[in-house]
Amino acid sequence: RKEVEQDPGPFNVPEGATVAFNCTYSNSASQSFFWYRQDCRKEPKLLMSVYSSGNEDGRFTAQLNRASQYISLLIRDSKLSDSATYLCVVIAPTSGTYKYIFGTGTRLKVLA
Amino acid sequence: DTGVSQDPRHKITKRGQNVTFRCDPISEHNRLYWYRQTLGQGPEFLTYFQNEAQLEKSRLLSDRFSAERPKGSFSTLEIQRTEQGDSAMYLCASSSGHLGRTDTQYFGPGTRLTVL
Repeated sequence: RKEVEQDPGPFNVPEGATVAFNCTYSNSASQSFFWYRQDCRKEPKLLMSVYSSGNEDGRFTAQLNRASQYISLLIRDSKLSDSATYLCVVIAPTSGTYKYIFGTGTRLKVLA
Repeated sequence: DTGVSQDPRHKITKRGQNVTFRCDPISEHNRLYWYRQTLGQGPEFLTYFQNEAQLEKSRLLSDRFSAERPKGSFSTLEIQRTEQGDSAMYLCASSSGHLGRTDTQYFGPGTRLTVL
């Protein structure tokens, strides 16, 4: 089982739609969680951290479910500019330190 | 521009040649990471430094790969005797090194390597 798993998509949605992605992780001791956005042939950029209580940034809402070991990203009122790959990132302990583990990403296409 | 920078942005080389990439992190960041990313995959961890110390290396990092961060500032990643399978985007990221949500990684634009 992969340490971090995401549905690769693509998710094709019309403008204005609400879309949600999930990301599951295998290490129950994982400590921090992030969503990054990556545009085609560009570097990943931090979209938002994921807090235990859930957090919202404009049209974006992130949730953490520790019991079921997944995080989610909800995008409301999708814009064409939201088309990108969304990478789930988990920080997990390893050998006295910690490491970042990236999912493979979920592709989103917002259609006019 | 105070972000992470990488040089070169693109590199085309013939199989068997050596290549070296450079990364300049955000100046106050003490952690520096190297990743490799191929099409349709997320970034795969290669190695990281805390200041000048290389603390972890992935088993993806074969003996043809070596990374240095001699003064705890910029870092270089060298690939010797390149193979076609080395073709990928090589990403560098830096962070402040404080565990938790404050330890956000910031990525450079990457070096795209093509091995012919």
